[in-house]
Amino acid sequence: SAVISQKPSRDICQRGTSLTIQCQVDSQVTMMFWYRQQPGQSLTLIATANQGSEATYESGFVIDKFPISRPNLTFSTLTVSNMSPEDSSIYLCSTWTVYGYTFGSGTRLTVV
Amino acid sequence: GQQVMQIPQYQHVQEGEDFTTYCNSSTTLSNIQWYKQRPGGHPVFLIQLVKSGEVKKQKRLTFQFGEAKKNSSLHITATQTTDVGTYFCAAPGGGGATNKLIFGTGTLLAVQP
Repeated sequence: SAVISQKPSRDICQRGTSLTIQCQVDSQVTMMFWYRQQPGQSLTLIATANQGSEATYESGFVIDKFPISRPNLTFSTLTVSNMSPEDSSIYLCSTWTVYGYTFGSGTRLTVV
Repeated sequence: GQQVMQIPQYQHVQEGEDFTTYCNSSTTLSNIQWYKQRPGGHPVFLIQLVKSGEVKKQKRLTFQFGEAKKNSSLHITATQTTDVGTYFCAAPGGGGATNKLIFGTGTLLAVQP
């Protein structure tokens, strides 16, 4: 199955700043997904990223706040912009293979 | 929108006891998947069920897909401390295995040695 390298694994950021999270897949994949998981909660889909087109955002998430890049079939980034403490969460990238959905190890973000 | 509910939210068992988590959808599902997330970890794919009434086993884990394809269950026989974690069911949000995945609310399993 695909292996996803995600970084950073954790960060503590000042409010008002931005953080870019990177995910590198060891094989070419069509779709990549970005999820948010707040403490003790389930995973919520932020957006779906296809190579060569704009990401598709779920209700409650907007491109200005969570811009996504997908420059090729093995890489994607998610930026959390103008952060506030409410953005403190775990962010996970994912992709689908015939073995099921594979997740990156997650980025634990704390905004102070 | 599509919702996938799980019960219970939390279960605490003694090691050796059985455990079951149930997943219910408001809509008919093309397939359902199960994931395990260890504390501090990321979700790991366990299995996918596709057929109505399908039952699959992985060692002590038994997965079932309802006849109407609206519910599913995960049963663990004789729990061990290594079973600790949160178990999520998940289903495609837009139809088809390659579409976005909607996760259930999850069941946190604690196992006391």
